[in-house]
Amino acid sequence: KQEVTQIPAALSVPEGENLVLNCSFTDSAIYNLQWFRQDPGKGLTSLLLIQSSQREQTSGRLNASLDKSSGRSTLYIAASQPGDSATYLCAVRTSSQAGTALIFGKGTTLSVSS
Amino acid sequence: KAGVTQTPRYLIKTRGQQVTLSCSPISGHRSVSWYQQTPGQGLQFLFEYFSETQRNKGNFPGRFSGRQFSNSRSEMNVSTLELGDSALYLCASSPGLAGTYNEQFFGPGTRLTVL
Repeated sequence: KQEVTQIPAALSVPEGENLVLNCSFTDSAIYNLQWFRQDPGKGLTSLLLIQSSQREQTSGRLNASLDKSSGRSTLYIAASQPGDSATYLCAVRTSSQAGTALIFGKGTTLSVSS
Repeated sequence: KAGVTQTPRYLIKTRGQQVTLSCSPISGHRSVSWYQQTPGQGLQFLFEYFSETQRNKGNFPGRFSGRQFSNSRSEMNVSTLELGDSALYLCASSPGLAGTYNEQFFGPGTRLTVL
């Protein structure tokens, strides 16, 4: 059974710092991995999607890497800003019952202070 | 292009009642998936619909059901509500079957409180 773990559960940094969020998964047989952002009480915003054949994806100040063999992904945020404060969720698409499903980690709650 | 919309945004029900939640996917998207989010369990997959057919289902009791209409809009129903059903219910859409390569786009969610 696929399990996704995100460490740390919470992180506080001053504005301007570069930071790394970690995601690990137990079964390397994934189709893709997606990073999301969730603001309090809101839905999820897709940040980056990495297909299983890819090693990394970049969007602005965000860079996500994927190492399928070791079951790990990292989300790198450059020059953090207070507006980056949110919960970041990692999800892997994996086979399940009759099809595929997104399995989520519990998230890392990031607080960036000005 | 409008995003995924969910109605209502907030609901308060009592135990034993039933509830229906609605989701309108992004225009042109044919796949709709539903998720339950609670503080204890996090985000859990409920089911996925594509072309009006349920394609996959998570580990939830039969009280949770859904359907999809010909215009891709989807509804989710929970019968005989329990206190533990209190959660944020999220709907996500993708262009095709949420299979190997499709990115999912989420709506704002419906906050259900069961008293």
